[in-house]
Amino acid sequence: GENVEQHPSTLSVQEGDSAVIKCTYSDSASNYFPWYKQELGKGPQLIIDIRSNVGEKKDQRIAVTLNKTAKHFSLHITETQPEDSAVYFCAASEGAAGNKLTFGGGTRVLVKP
Amino acid sequence: GAVVSQHPSWVICKSGTSVKIECRSLDFQATTMFWYRQFPKQSLMLMATSNEGSKATYEQGVEKDKFLINHASLTLSTLTVTSAHPEDSSFYICSARGHGPSTDTQYFGPGTRLTVL
Repeated sequence: GENVEQHPSTLSVQEGDSAVIKCTYSDSASNYFPWYKQELGKGPQLIIDIRSNVGEKKDQRIAVTLNKTAKHFSLHITETQPEDSAVYFCAASEGAAGNKLTFGGGTRVLVKP
Repeated sequence: GAVVSQHPSWVICKSGTSVKIECRSLDFQATTMFWYRQFPKQSLMLMATSNEGSKATYEQGVEKDKFLINHASLTLSTLTVTSAHPEDSSFYICSARGHGPSTDTQYFGPGTRLTVL
């Protein structure tokens, strides 16, 4: 099955700086890659996603890039703010298994004011 | 749009009792719902996938007789933890996926924290 690895596990940045989280996946058939933000005690919230026919997608301060050849994708947050502090999860869909998501281990992001 | 609710948000029960958790898609029809559990500071682990009107598909290692899943309508799925024990204490989260061009997208509920005494 699919295996998703996520790095780093924790990330501390100064307010206003950029944050980058990287994920790799193992199943070349995966074709959908969402990113979720989870605040303490809450469910994950979709923040951006990308499909395999696109190399980059941007939504305001958030961008995601995908390299299908290398099987890795990254989340970029620019101009970080304290409210960006949360745990971020990447995921990949198992294309052959009906869009079941496999999650990375998560990155705890702390934005210091 | 794409709002998923869960009820209850938290529950405390005695060992040996059963607990039912509801997951509802409020503004869309969910053809597929997923149930996850999450231990503190860990990632989400998929427990089962349920399609409306059919039996759930459980992940390896998840006891289907212990975690009963019912997906009776396009807006409601329930997870019943039967004969709960302290090791079942966890954060249970559902997600739903519906019709339309973005059928890959899973929208998550707020989660239910289960504590078994």
